[in-house]
Amino acid sequence: DTGVSQDPRHKITKRGQNVTFRCDPISEHNRLYWYRQTLGQGPEFLTYFQNEAQLEKSRLLSDRFSAERPKGSFSTLEIQRTEQGDSAMYLCASRYPGLTQETQYFGPGTRLLVL
Amino acid sequence: AQSVSQHNHHVILSEAASLELGCNYSYGGTVNLFWYVQYPGQHLQLLLKYFSGDPLVKGIKGFEAEFIKSKFSFNLRKPSVQWSDTAEYFCAVRGGSGNTGKLIFGQGTTLQVKP
Repeated sequence: DTGVSQDPRHKITKRGQNVTFRCDPISEHNRLYWYRQTLGQGPEFLTYFQNEAQLEKSRLLSDRFSAERPKGSFSTLEIQRTEQGDSAMYLCASRYPGLTQETQYFGPGTRLLVL
Repeated sequence: AQSVSQHNHHVILSEAASLELGCNYSYGGTVNLFWYVQYPGQHLQLLLKYFSGDPLVKGIKGFEAEFIKSKFSFNLRKPSVQWSDTAEYFCAVRGGSGNTGKLIFGQGTTLQVKP
């Protein structure tokens, strides 16, 4: 399967713990996005990378959230001191560079439950 | 701020019935519009997209959508639904300042097709 992959698929943690999610985009896709989806809502944009540069962050991304893409390939999203309100599906998407009409391809998501 | 509104949150149809899901967006500039589908247990997949040209766009699995600029609408249609169309459908617009290509999603419509 050469699609976007995410790990883990599910994560249960206790409030106050730190969690880290990984996203592997489609090869040669230099643009990478993180979204968050809560129950009954559509995905909401969190942050965007072009290669290793983080070029946009949403106001949703509080200082407890940090994302990296150190070598311009895979990306990690870390949540520190998790809160129950962080429970959601975290989606990663990637896009081919340059062409504005290119589609974002989504991964299966990581479902986080904070107890 | 940009937003996307999907009128129907939950639609129940019998097989062979016709489908129309409403989507309205608010954005003053040039819009790129999308419909994504999420089948049970699967990740988000692109159904169709509009960038320019013919406002009637055809997608996969017999779906189509019509862009009506004067109404800020991009409604999804299918003449005859099948049980396998049971899924969640999301309308999205690409926009925002800069050129990140982030997507802004509606809250989604759950379609249930009865056999």
